[in-house]
Amino acid sequence: TQLLEQSPQFLSIQEGENLTVYCNSSSVFSSLQWYRQEPGEGPVLLVTVVTGGEVKKLKRLTFQFGDARKDSSLHITAAQPGDTGLYLCAGFGGTSYGKLTFGQGTILTVHP
Amino acid sequence: DSGVTQTPKHLITATGQRVTLRCSPRSGDLSVYWYQQSLDQGLQFLIQYYNGEERAKGNILERFSAQQFPDLHSELNLSSLELGDSALYFCASSVGAPNTGELFFGEGSRLTVL
Repeated sequence: TQLLEQSPQFLSIQEGENLTVYCNSSSVFSSLQWYRQEPGEGPVLLVTVVTGGEVKKLKRLTFQFGDARKDSSLHITAAQPGDTGLYLCAGFGGTSYGKLTFGQGTILTVHP
Repeated sequence: DSGVTQTPKHLITATGQRVTLRCSPRSGDLSVYWYQQSLDQGLQFLIQYYNGEERAKGNILERFSAQQFPDLHSELNLSSLELGDSALYFCASSVGAPNTGELFFGEGSRLTVL
């Protein structure tokens, strides 16, 4: 079974602060995705990273895929209350063909 | 709006009962995925279909079954329900074959077993 471990599980910060969420595994993934989920809704894709070492930026969000394609990070600069939500990493590949494996998620709360 | 429709949105039933959750994928999407989300387990992959055929199976209980019909909609059947089956059940769809692409999630069906 391929597992993705996210840390931290909970993050409570003030508006304007920076933060990083980590997603780690002992397995190699062909691609890794980050989703954001708000209460009462399903997860929504933020980004897909495919190449080891890849860095993608989406406004204040920076996503990095580890060189060995086993880990990823999400960095948010100058967090805003609108960033509040559940952030999930998910990996495709390896022995779990067809199965997108999700991490446990990080609940982010940004206080005004 | 992701384009994925799930019904019912909420369902309350008793232990031992059987329920059916329905999912209509986005127009043109051939793959349908079912996930269970609970507070302690997170998002758990149950099963995936591609163009009517089962393609991948996760930790789906024997009491649960699913299928994808020729019109590509899918149903998840949960039987002999237990208290621990209370959870949010999500359906997601994607355009292509497994292992690629973006999954579009529905708003989920919240099942409460009393």
